[in-house]
Amino acid sequence: QLQLQESGPGLVKPSETLSLTCTVSGGSISSGNYYWGWIRQPPGKGLEWIGSIYYTGSTYYKSSLKSRVTISVDTSKKQFSLKMSSVTAADTAVYYCARTGGSWYGWFDSWGQGTLATVSS
Amino acid sequence: DIQMTQSPSSLSASVGDRVTITCRASQSISRYLNWYQQKPGKAPKLLIYVASSLQSGVPSRFSGSGSGTDFTLTISSLQPEDFATYYCQQSYSTPPAFGQGTKVEIK
Repeated sequence: QLQLQESGPGLVKPSETLSLTCTVSGGSISSGNYYWGWIRQPPGKGLEWIGSIYYTGSTYYKSSLKSRVTISVDTSKKQFSLKMSSVTAADTAVYYCARTGGSWYGWFDSWGQGTLATVSS
Repeated sequence: DIQMTQSPSSLSASVGDRVTITCRASQSISRYLNWYQQKPGKAPKLLIYVASSLQSGVPSRFSGSGSGTDFTLTISSLQPEDFATYYCQQSYSTPPAFGQGTKVEIK
């Protein structure tokens, strides 16, 4: 059974870079049928797609976040990562990694448990 | 970008009730509409994809319908474990966008 697990610091200072990693187990990250994405959810609010990556390294980002976001993949470690620079309190959220079917903007059929990243000094 | 609007934002219902949640897209998205269930402190769970395809393992009391701009998620007989927040999401074009959510509460 496919499992995704997010990891990374829970507290980030304003203006610094948020770094998270998603580790995939129970399946292949190199499957040509899927993309791998990051979605966030501010406390008490809705879901926002951040971006996605294909196992070849092709990336796709939400335009409003593109200048601050980098997603990368390490297929040998079965991991993909998110870096978000110049964070502010507005970036405080639970960050989820998820497998995406159909296309990079497809449906998210398997999710990690999520990790809370708080931006505070 | 395509905007997704759900109604109602919340509803109260009893076990055994038939529940319907609506999702409207700001432009036609064909049938590229997906539904998720989220319980407090948990990740969303895919219920329905491409408007009406039931994700593996999801009970058959959940069903989806619609095309174009208007879509519906129906729970035929609400069970205690169905009290949660439900989100729609369009997968017609990038960026994928979610509705604001519909919270289903116990009456």
